[in-house]
Amino acid sequence: EDQVTQSPEALRLQEGESSSLNCSYTVSGLRGLFWYRQDPGKGPEFLFTLYSAGEEKEKERLKATLTKKESFLHITAPKPEDSATYLCAVQGGIQGAQKLVFGQGTRLTINP
Amino acid sequence: DAGVTQSPTHLIKTRGQQVTLRCSPISGHKSVSWYQQVLGQGPQFIFQYYEKEERGRGNFPDRFSARQFPNYSSELNVNALLLGDSALYLCASSAYPGDKLFFGSGTQLSVL
Repeated sequence: EDQVTQSPEALRLQEGESSSLNCSYTVSGLRGLFWYRQDPGKGPEFLFTLYSAGEEKEKERLKATLTKKESFLHITAPKPEDSATYLCAVQGGIQGAQKLVFGQGTRLTINP
Repeated sequence: DAGVTQSPTHLIKTRGQQVTLRCSPISGHKSVSWYQQVLGQGPQFIFQYYEKEERGRGNFPDRFSARQFPNYSSELNVNALLLGDSALYLCASSAYPGDKLFFGSGTQLSVL
């Protein structure tokens, strides 16, 4: 069964203090690893898709990387508006292609 | 362009009642998925529909059912509501199964 574990569960940073969020996964034939951002009371907002180990993608202060067992979301010089819950999800092989399996999320708070 | 729209935004029901949640996908998207998100956890897959056919079902009881209409909108029905069904129900659309998902803001269901 596909599984995703995110760490830490919660993270508090000062504005400008860079850090990384971790997503560990087990999946039968990875088709894609997805990162989403979720604000309170809203649905997840798509950030990145990674398909193979070694791949990296960037968007503003965020950079996502992928290995065969983990993905990292690096946040550089964060601002208070980056505060949100960050969700990682995997899409598995043929049997799992129709769904995303999510982790429990990392709740990120950036203090001004 | 309008994103994924869901109605109602909030709903309060009592145990044993039935509920219908509605979803309109992004224009041009033919696949709709439903997820349940309990507070503090990541979304959990319920159903995926593509071209009006069920393409995937998660580990939910038969009290949960869904359908997709010719205009690609979708309904999720839950019968015989239990207290544990209280959650945020998210609808997501994609151009085709396996493509990245775009989520609506969800329907917050409270069962008393």
